[in-house]
Amino acid sequence: NAGVTQTPKFQVLKTGQSMTLQCAQDMNHNSMYWYRQDPGMGLRLIYYSASEGTTDKGEVPNGYNVSRLNKREFSLRLESAAPSQTSVYFCASSVGTSEQFFGPGTRLTVL
Amino acid sequence: AQSVTQLDSQVPVFEEAPVELRCNYSSSVSVYLFWYVQYPNQGLQLLLKYLSGSTLVKGINGFEAEFNKSQTSFHLRKPSVHISDTAEYFCAVRTLEAAGNKLTFGGGTRVLVKP
Repeated sequence: NAGVTQTPKFQVLKTGQSMTLQCAQDMNHNSMYWYRQDPGMGLRLIYYSASEGTTDKGEVPNGYNVSRLNKREFSLRLESAAPSQTSVYFCASSVGTSEQFFGPGTRLTVL
Repeated sequence: AQSVTQLDSQVPVFEEAPVELRCNYSSSVSVYLFWYVQYPNQGLQLLLKYLSGSTLVKGINGFEAEFNKSQTSFHLRKPSVHISDTAEYFCAVRTLEAAGNKLTFGGGTRVLVKP
């Protein structure tokens, strides 16, 4: 099992450009999450999907959209990137009350 | 809303010495508690978790944590650290009523193990 995979690993964007971060899990988990990690702030939840077909806002959703394409895949889209969105983005998945399993992250720089 | 405070942003420690990382949370309802470790340029891995039962929880790599409900704390300890324990450690909390298994994370504690 690959667990949680994310693409790309690194990305540099110019202000105003758009991009989609991809996430997939092969553990048959119901719930999936997108976080951003900034120094000294831990991980903050952007959006989550409790089950296929549902998505909800987390703590910091502004400037982002998500799509739960199917049970395996959960993508995060930046429509018009801003320097404040420079961060490391993590996708995670879980089932029931179990712990969350994390992907390796995407390091995004917006110039 | 709950919050999680990790009181130390950085902890330098010598190899084979003990280490304690402090975590306090604010919640008026029952919680699940987690400690994750992040090695450089990697994702987060679960060290241990408290869901119910014994308040002393043992995890991987010799780590353990104790849940103290009255002090709303979940401190992480290791009696003897190795160079390979150099990493960032995150405490996380989930309230039992939180929809979708949402976690709230602390700001992280960087542990630097010196030879």
